[in-house]
Amino acid sequence: EAGVVQSPRYKIIEKKQPVAFWCNPISGHNTLYWYRQNLGQGPELLIRYENEEAVDDSQLPKDRFSAERLKGVDSTLKIQPAELGDSAVYLCASSFDENTEAFFGQGTRLTVV
Amino acid sequence: GQNIDQPTEMTATEGAIVQINCTYQTSGFNGLFWYQQHAGEAPTFLSYNVLDGLEEKGRFSSFLSRSKGYSYLLLKELQMKDSASYLCAVREDTDKLIFGTGTRLQVFP
Repeated sequence: EAGVVQSPRYKIIEKKQPVAFWCNPISGHNTLYWYRQNLGQGPELLIRYENEEAVDDSQLPKDRFSAERLKGVDSTLKIQPAELGDSAVYLCASSFDENTEAFFGQGTRLTVV
Repeated sequence: GQNIDQPTEMTATEGAIVQINCTYQTSGFNGLFWYQQHAGEAPTFLSYNVLDGLEEKGRFSSFLSRSKGYSYLLLKELQMKDSASYLCAVREDTDKLIFGTGTRLQVFP
C-alpha cells in the first residue's frame, strides 16, 4: 500500500515568488494535515481537513497561505508571495479518522532565497 | 494554552535503556502519540496511549498518566539505528494534534 505522497521533495524559490505543494494521502484516509517543521523543532499544524472541509485553519497565515482539498482526496498548499521566513519542511499527513495515528509523507523542503 | 515539554537532547550507550519524558498542558486530551524521526526523514508512528498505563511494543514501551499530564517513551536494548528525534504529540479534545519540539537521542557504541 502506498504511503502519503508529496511533491516536490525540494523547492528553491526567490522571495516574493509563489510556490505550491501537493499531497496525495493514503487511500481511504479522511483526515489530512499540513504541518510546517523548522530545523530542530517539532511539526507545527497549519491546517487540518476532514474530507473536503477545513476544520482547523487557525494557524494558517491566511494573508499569504492557502490550501484546498477538492473532492476530499488530494490537497495543495500554496504560498503567495513567499518570504525568507517560510523556509522550512512542509509535511503532509493523513489518518483514517481523527482518532487514529497520522502517517506522514516525506515532506517538501522549501528554501526561499 | 498549549504546552508540550520534552528534553532537547539525550545520549545513551548501545545496549542500554533510555527513558524520554514528556509533560503536557493542553486544551483537553484525546490521546498521546510518540513518533520517531530520523534526520531528513518524515516522522514515523511508534505508539499511542489514551488510557493510563504502559503500552509495550517490542523494544519500545510508552507510559501515560493523564492525571499528571505525563508520558514517557522507554527504549530498551538500544541500537545505533535508534539515534533519532523522538516527538511527543497530544491530540486535544478538538482533535487537533499538537507536537512537542522533540528529543534528539544519540546512541554511542
